[in-house]
Amino acid sequence: DTAVSQTPKYLVTQMGNDKSIKCEQNLGHDTMYWYKQDSKKFLKIMFSYNNKELIINETVPNRFSPKSPDKAHLNLHINSLELGDSAVYFCASTRQGSEAFFGQGTRLTVV
Amino acid sequence: AQSVAQPEDQVNVAEGNPLTVKCTYSVSGNPYLFWYVQYPNRGLQFLLKYITGDNLVKGSYGFEAEFNKSQTSFHLKKPSALVSDSALYFCAVRDTANFNKFYFGSGTKLNVKP
Repeated sequence: DTAVSQTPKYLVTQMGNDKSIKCEQNLGHDTMYWYKQDSKKFLKIMFSYNNKELIINETVPNRFSPKSPDKAHLNLHINSLELGDSAVYFCASTRQGSEAFFGQGTRLTVV
Repeated sequence: AQSVAQPEDQVNVAEGNPLTVKCTYSVSGNPYLFWYVQYPNRGLQFLLKYITGDNLVKGSYGFEAEFNKSQTSFHLKKPSALVSDSALYFCAVRDTANFNKFYFGSGTKLNVKP
């Protein structure tokens, strides 16, 4: 049973398109995250939700919009994709005081 | 500002030798520290954490880490490296002001040669 699962694993799309990445966790955690890992492997937090409420919103272009329909799901929608959006996007979840559990990542390539 | 630093981009070690991957932190208050490993094309996997208690923390796959408050360090160690330990290692700290936030280091690539 996968604890944090993301779909799709790979996403290749053209500039200007709109795409979504989905994430689900079956750990019963209250907090979920989106991280971006760039080509140098640096991890940067983008968003965090706690019980469906947005609690962290880092400096991210407003083309990126997270949505949490319930505490087990956190989706990321990206409008008007740009070349610089190419990266690996990781979903993660945690409960307070504990470690984070990560999904396997979505490798987004914008061409 | 709270942060962690991993001063080495890469660590090379021969199989069977001890390994150390360095991490220093900067937090206000008591730190919650973590180590993660990332294998190629995979997500981050939790190895171990320090919250309180013994300064030497044992984790998965034979790894351990030593919390040193005076040196603000949390170095990852293993007595005998395996080729299969070759991966990217991340140190992380929880923000003590915003407990939902983690700060990750820049990562250290560990190469274990046979």
